[in-house]
Amino acid sequence: DTAVSQTPKYLVTQMGNDKSIKCEQNLGHDTMYWYKQDSKKFLKIMFSYNNKELIINETVPNRFSPKSPDKAHLNLHINSLELGDSAVYFCASRRTGQNTIYFGEGSWLTVV
Amino acid sequence: AQKITQTQPGMFVQEKEAVTLDCTYDTSDQSYGLFWYKQPSSGEMIFLIYQGSYDEQNATEGRYSLNFQKARKSANLVISASQLGDSAMYFCAMREGGSGGGNKLTFGTGTQLKVEL
Repeated sequence: DTAVSQTPKYLVTQMGNDKSIKCEQNLGHDTMYWYKQDSKKFLKIMFSYNNKELIINETVPNRFSPKSPDKAHLNLHINSLELGDSAVYFCASRRTGQNTIYFGEGSWLTVV
Repeated sequence: AQKITQTQPGMFVQEKEAVTLDCTYDTSDQSYGLFWYKQPSSGEMIFLIYQGSYDEQNATEGRYSLNFQKARKSANLVISASQLGDSAMYFCAMREGGSGGGNKLTFGTGTQLKVEL
């Protein structure tokens, strides 16, 4: 079983559309993250939730809205998609007090 | 100032040789953690090794070891006996603060490693 799973893995969509990426972890972790990897492979934190509460929001445009219905899920909704949103989005999770952050397999978003 | 610096955009190594991937970091925190992740061409991020700032011994995980030099603020990854499957992008990352809730990873720009026959 995949520990951190993201859907969809690939998404091609037109500018102006709204799309969501879902993430689920079955590790019993209480902290979840969204990272964005740009075309130059640079990884940057977007959001972090701890026990369903938003604790990190790294100056991401408000077109991006994360939602955590429970500790095991963190979804990312993106409104009015722009070309610059094309990237790989990684979900990750960890347990408070433990060091390792586990990443999902990534969701490749292409905006055309 | 960059918090994590990886100065080698690309590296080549012969199969079965050892290779060192460089990483320097910048933080004023006393408690922090350093990580290495591997990203093969398939794209997933694979955790390799972790070093805590208070750990006195260098971390090792199989063929991976982390050469931690605190005074120099460096955390180089050493891969021994390179294999073709080690060809990938390698990222150094740092978590500032302790392992409590809310801490994020800051990543370096990565080093693309190519293992040759």
